[in-house]
Amino acid sequence: EAGVTQSPTHLIKTRGQQATLRCSPISGHTSVYWYQQALGLGLQFLLWYDEGEERNRGNFPPRFSGRQFPNYSSELNVNALELEDSALYLCASSFQTSGRIGDTQYFGPGTRLTVL
Amino acid sequence: EDQVTQSPEALRLQEGESSSLNCSYTVSGLRGLFWYRQDPGKGPEFLFTLYSAGEEKEKERLKATLTKKESFLHITAPKPEDSATYLCAVQAAGAQKLVFGQGTRLTINP
Repeated sequence: EAGVTQSPTHLIKTRGQQATLRCSPISGHTSVYWYQQALGLGLQFLLWYDEGEERNRGNFPPRFSGRQFPNYSSELNVNALELEDSALYLCASSFQTSGRIGDTQYFGPGTRLTVL
Repeated sequence: EDQVTQSPEALRLQEGESSSLNCSYTVSGLRGLFWYRQDPGKGPEFLFTLYSAGEEKEKERLKATLTKKESFLHITAPKPEDSATYLCAVQAAGAQKLVFGQGTRLTINP
C-alpha cells in the first residue's frame, strides 16, 4: 500500500515569494496534517484538514494557509516568504475518529523549503 | 499547556549495548502517545502507539512502555542500523494535533 507522498522534494524560493507544497494521503485516510520542522525547533503543528475543511491551526501567521481537495489531497501555501520559513515541511494523514483513543498519523518524506 | 520532554538529547552506544530512552509528558487527558523514528532529512517513521498506563508494545529490538507520566523506549542489543533520532509525541483529549518532544539522537557504534 502506498504511503503518504509529498511534492516537490526540494523547493528554493527567494524572500517575498510564494511557495506551494502538495501532499497525497494514504488511501482511505480523510485527515491531513501539516507540520513544520525547522532546525533546532522540533516538529510544530501547522494545520489540520478533514473532509475538505480546515479544522484547526497552530500558532502560525495567516500567510500559512492551505486547502484539502475532494480526493483528500492537500496543498500548503506560504505567502510572503521569510528567511525563517526555511524548514522541512511534513504532511501526515490518518483516519478521523472522534473517539477516546488517538489516531495514528503517518508521515510523508517531507518537502525541504529553502528561502534565500 | 501540553508538553513533552525527551532525555537524553543524544546517546551513543556500542553495538549490543542495551539502553532506554525517556519521554516525560504533561497532557490534559491522553488520547495516545506515539513513538517515531526519523532518519536525517526524512519523514518520521511510525513505531508504536500506546493508549493507557501499563501498556507495552514490542517490535524487533524495541519495546515501548507507558506510565501516567512517562514512556520509555527500550532498545535491546542494538545494531548500527538502529541509529536515528527517536521522537515521542502525545495527542491530548479532544485534540487531533500531535505535540512532539525534541527527540533523542541515538548513535550505535559497530
